[in-house]
Amino acid sequence: DAKTTQPTSMDCAEGRAANLPCNHSTISGNEYVYWYRQIHSQGPQYIIHGLKNNETNEMASLIITEDRKSSTLILPHATLRDTAVYYCIVRVRGDYKLSFGAGTTVTVRA
Amino acid sequence: DGGITQSPKYLFRKEGQNVTLSCEQNLNHDAMYWYRQDPGQGLRLIYYSQIVNDFQKGDIAEGYSVSREKKESFPLTVTSAQKNPTAFYLCASSMGRLMGNYGYTFGSGTRLTVV
Repeated sequence: DAKTTQPTSMDCAEGRAANLPCNHSTISGNEYVYWYRQIHSQGPQYIIHGLKNNETNEMASLIITEDRKSSTLILPHATLRDTAVYYCIVRVRGDYKLSFGAGTTVTVRA
Repeated sequence: DGGITQSPKYLFRKEGQNVTLSCEQNLNHDAMYWYRQDPGQGLRLIYYSQIVNDFQKGDIAEGYSVSREKKESFPLTVTSAQKNPTAFYLCASSMGRLMGNYGYTFGSGTRLTVV
């Protein structure tokens, strides 16, 4: 599976957009990009996933570069409840397993 | 509502004892997984099961055992052979190879402490 690199931590002001980068320079054509988040002492929660096209849902937007070597998760209007660890994961299509790294600790400040 | 239930939420174990963590799902998912999380770290895969009566070792299976006798249930036993069992344990399920639109669904976790 392709390895991902994320910043260890980042701060964001409440009400502003939070842009979370992820580098996956070794991604192959059959690997999806998934994003999850984990609020303290809870199970991770699915946010969004994509293959090549940009994706948007009620929680966030996922922007994948044309060469697919990096992506950005955008939380459009961050709230205090968005404070969490965010995981960027690549998964081979058809594979059962997801590998979670250390993620990015996002702190939203009032 | 469909979901995954892990019990108990907190568990204390004496050294040398085996303990079993429960995981039940009513999502009709084929695949189930157990992860371990240590403070400040990511999740590490212990075991996973693609179908009933079948399971595979993950990255850190030593000292753990599982069974998958029913589609809904995937209990994890932490044996006395596990040297550092104190951790947060997470169970997850998915539709399997196709994953569906949401990948994994996670339970709320069991925090195991060896006393």
